[in-house]
Amino acid sequence: DIQLTQSPSFLSASIGDRVTITCRASQGISSFLAWYQQKPGKAPKLLIYSASTLQSGVPSRFSGSGSGTEFSLTISRLQPEDFGAYYCQQVNSYPITFGGGTKVEVK
Amino acid sequence: EVQLVESGGGLVQPGGSLRLSCATSGFTFSDPYMDWVRQAPGKGLEWVGRARNRANSYTTEYATSVKGRFTISRDDSRNSLYLQMNSLKTEDTAVYYCARGPYCTNGVCSQGRSFEFWGRGALVTVSS
Repeated sequence: DIQLTQSPSFLSASIGDRVTITCRASQGISSFLAWYQQKPGKAPKLLIYSASTLQSGVPSRFSGSGSGTEFSLTISRLQPEDFGAYYCQQVNSYPITFGGGTKVEVK
Repeated sequence: EVQLVESGGGLVQPGGSLRLSCATSGFTFSDPYMDWVRQAPGKGLEWVGRARNRANSYTTEYATSVKGRFTISRDDSRNSLYLQMNSLKTEDTAVYYCARGPYCTNGVCSQGRSFEFWGRGALVTVSS
């Protein structure tokens, strides 16, 4: 199985900060990586797919980059509504796997 | 508007069985792959399995943790996805989400193979 390691597992940042979450795959997955945001008690929401393609309707302050084994999600200017958990997901091969998650707290 | 609504969750004893349903609307159900994802209380997301579409013979894939115990099926005439869970263990306790997977034709899939729409989830508690 492909392991996805996210870091950090928790981060606290101020409004307007630039925030970056990384996701490392245990083997190459090309660009078959997606990012999701999840708020407490809610279903995950797709933010980014194919490592860097912004899902329709997602604010442009979110961006993704990377390929192979190293990926990142960046929020250019953190907003109050960006709190929650963020997960990366590899869809290169079965079983599909998720990273352990990053909880983002807005100061 | 795309909607996915899970049902059938509840409390079941270890070793028991439960069947979840996912009723969908707002898209042509027969076209995309469909997935189940679960989330144990306070934990992260775990993919459970997938049902491919008719063009791909309705074949299925499963996570190692549920293979041989869980079965995914779909009824295109009812626009519904199912998850039959047998030999349940306490560690299967989770919220189970139904998700719309990608549209795949000849090995090329949409949305980078990601999950664009999700249901609200159904809670399954396995406890004596």
